[in-house]
Amino acid sequence: GAVVSQHPSRVICKSGTSVKIECRSLDFQATTMFWYRQFPKQSLMLMATSNEGSKATYEQGVEKDKFLINHASLTLSTLTVASAHPEDSSFYICSARGSIWADTQYFGPGTRLTVL
Amino acid sequence: AQRVTQPEKLLSVFKGAPVELKCNYSYSGSPELFWYVQYSRQRLQLLLRHISRESIKGFTADLNKGETSFHLKKPFAQEEDSAMYYCALSGSSNYKLTFGKGTLLTVNP
Repeated sequence: GAVVSQHPSRVICKSGTSVKIECRSLDFQATTMFWYRQFPKQSLMLMATSNEGSKATYEQGVEKDKFLINHASLTLSTLTVASAHPEDSSFYICSARGSIWADTQYFGPGTRLTVL
Repeated sequence: AQRVTQPEKLLSVFKGAPVELKCNYSYSGSPELFWYVQYSRQRLQLLLRHISRESIKGFTADLNKGETSFHLKKPFAQEEDSAMYYCALSGSSNYKLTFGKGTLLTVNP
């Protein structure tokens, strides 16, 4: 139980294009979803917290107009990297928490974004 | 502000030896502490949480509020324990996780 999927697992795009990453909780309803960014050999940095039906809360320094988050349902959140540039290349990971063991986050496998 | 420090980037031990991965934290309230593990080419997964006081795969961790530490221990390391280990802290109300930089544990045969 408590499986989180991400799609796509890997994406390569040209500079200036927008990229959408999906995060789904497959067997539970996710009260909250979180989006992280991980640079090579570094830890996870929280970008934003997303609650179903409400606006995402962004961490300091994260551009909300660049990283658009939509939490359309209790099982789906999307992260859109708008007008991506090479510096946006990174590993993006989502996590979700449900109502049972509410303090526990279940992580997706991550999405490798490469912007050329 | 929440902060988690894992002082060791790399830790290498031999199979059967005890292992301790250090974690110190900084938080003004009552924190919830976790250890997450990431095996090679796999996603991050929860290893244990301090509130449940459980032992998972032989690992234990005790929250020491006086020393603000949550070190992860295992008396006899196994090769399959080789992985990246992250200590994480959550504030009491927002469920946001702050991660340490991680310790790469290598257990040699």
